[in-house]
Amino acid sequence: DAGVIQSPRHEVTEMGQEVTLRCKPISGHDYLFWYRQTMMRGLELLIYFNNNVPIDDSGMPEDRFSAKMPNASFSTLKIQPSEPRDSAVYFCASSPRQGVGYTFGSGTRLTVV
Amino acid sequence: LAKTTQPISMDSYEGQEVNITCSHNNIATNDYITWYQQFPSQGPRFIIQGYKTKVTNEVASLFIPADRKSSTLSLPRVSLSDTAVYYCLVGDPFSGGYNKLIFGAGTRLAVHP
Repeated sequence: DAGVIQSPRHEVTEMGQEVTLRCKPISGHDYLFWYRQTMMRGLELLIYFNNNVPIDDSGMPEDRFSAKMPNASFSTLKIQPSEPRDSAVYFCASSPRQGVGYTFGSGTRLTVV
Repeated sequence: LAKTTQPISMDSYEGQEVNITCSHNNIATNDYITWYQQFPSQGPRFIIQGYKTKVTNEVASLFIPADRKSSTLSLPRVSLSDTAVYYCLVGDPFSGGYNKLIFGAGTRLAVHP
């Protein structure tokens, strides 16, 4: 099993540009989570999906952020337009069902200049 | 969700046993205790989960006293590679709220030669 796969590993973009982060969960995992980690705020849950349906997006900072899960094997987190304060490491995680441990991806380090 | 308190940092030496205690005074009847480990530049990794008494796996042991108001993660004979941040989370795995567990600041463990 390749685990949770995220791409790209690093992204540097200019303020105002659109950024798309990608995630492939582990096959058979029904839950998918997007987290953001910064030194100041730690690890924050942005949104999670169950069976491809967004369940809770209350952690999404603002309308500039959107997430989709068109099928069970792919999810995207989009930031448009990006701002320097969006610079962080974004993690995707998946789990087979509620209540069990998550498997995290290696993250995408986003730098907005 | 139960609030957790754990030390900000700990130091140890190779070969020693390390015990990290987490306080969760307002733990609810159905709450489980879950620990994650995060190495630098990686996503968190699920270590262990338990409800009461003792749970052991190939990585660690989790000790939970009868009142369940605290728990202790025990790492036997640590090595330099155990240097990481350790997170304690508490929540009801059968409740939707489990999907929004807060990671907090964690305990930064430094293992020295």
